[in-house]
Amino acid sequence: DQQVKQNSPSLSVQEGRISILNCDYTNSMFDYFLWYKKYPAEGPTFLISISSIKDKNEDGRFTVFLNKSAKHLSLHIVPSQPGDSAVYFCAASSNSGYALNFGKGTSLLVTP
Amino acid sequence: GAGVSQSPSNKVTEKGKDVELRCDPISGHTALYWYRQSLGQGLEFLIYFQGNSAPDKSGLPSDRFSAERTGGSVSTLTIQRTQQEDSAVYLCASSYDNTNYGYTFGSGTRLTVV
Repeated sequence: DQQVKQNSPSLSVQEGRISILNCDYTNSMFDYFLWYKKYPAEGPTFLISISSIKDKNEDGRFTVFLNKSAKHLSLHIVPSQPGDSAVYFCAASSNSGYALNFGKGTSLLVTP
Repeated sequence: GAGVSQSPSNKVTEKGKDVELRCDPISGHTALYWYRQSLGQGLEFLIYFQGNSAPDKSGLPSDRFSAERTGGSVSTLTIQRTQQEDSAVYLCASSYDNTNYGYTFGSGTRLTVV
C-alpha cells in the first residue's frame, strides 16, 4: 500500500513563477519528511527536509510546509528556474524505522 | 570516493540467470541502503546495512534476493533466477549514520530481464 502519495504526476510552470508540489501521507507515525530531486540517469539528490515538530522549513528558494492534521506537505519553489526541471520525490520516515517511504514523484517542467 | 558508485550502470540478462549489482558507498558512511524503482513507481526499500550487518531486510521481495556488505564498505545485491518483474533501476544510497538526514544516492543500475 502506498503510504506516501504524490497525486500529480506532472506540473508545468513558467520561469519566475512559483512551483507548488504536493504530497499526502497516511501513516500517522511518520515524523520526518524529505524532498529529493532527480534528473534523468542520475540518482535522487536530497533537497530539503522537515521534522514533525515544525510546520515550515526554508532553504533559499525552497520551502517545505507541513500540515500534520491534514497529513499533507508541500514544496514551494520561488522563483522557479529552468534548471529546476526534474522529478521531485516526497519521502517520509518514522523514528522506529530506517527505511524511507517514497511517493511516485512529480515531474516538474519550468518553461522559459 | 566523492560519491556513491554503482556498477554496472546497465545490465541486460536473460530470465533465469543470476545477477550481481555492486555499490561502493562514500568512504566513512556506516549506513547503506538498497532501493529499487520500477517503471512508474516510487522508490521501494529493499535492505539496510549498518556496518556489515543488516538489521532490516524487510523489503527484500523474495528469497531470490540477497545482499551482503563487507569491510563496512562495498555491498553486493544478488538476484538469483531473475524474472521479468525484477526489471527496475536498483539504487544504492549511503549516509554517515542511520539518522535519515538525507541519503546520498548513486546513479543506479538499470536491470532489464528479457
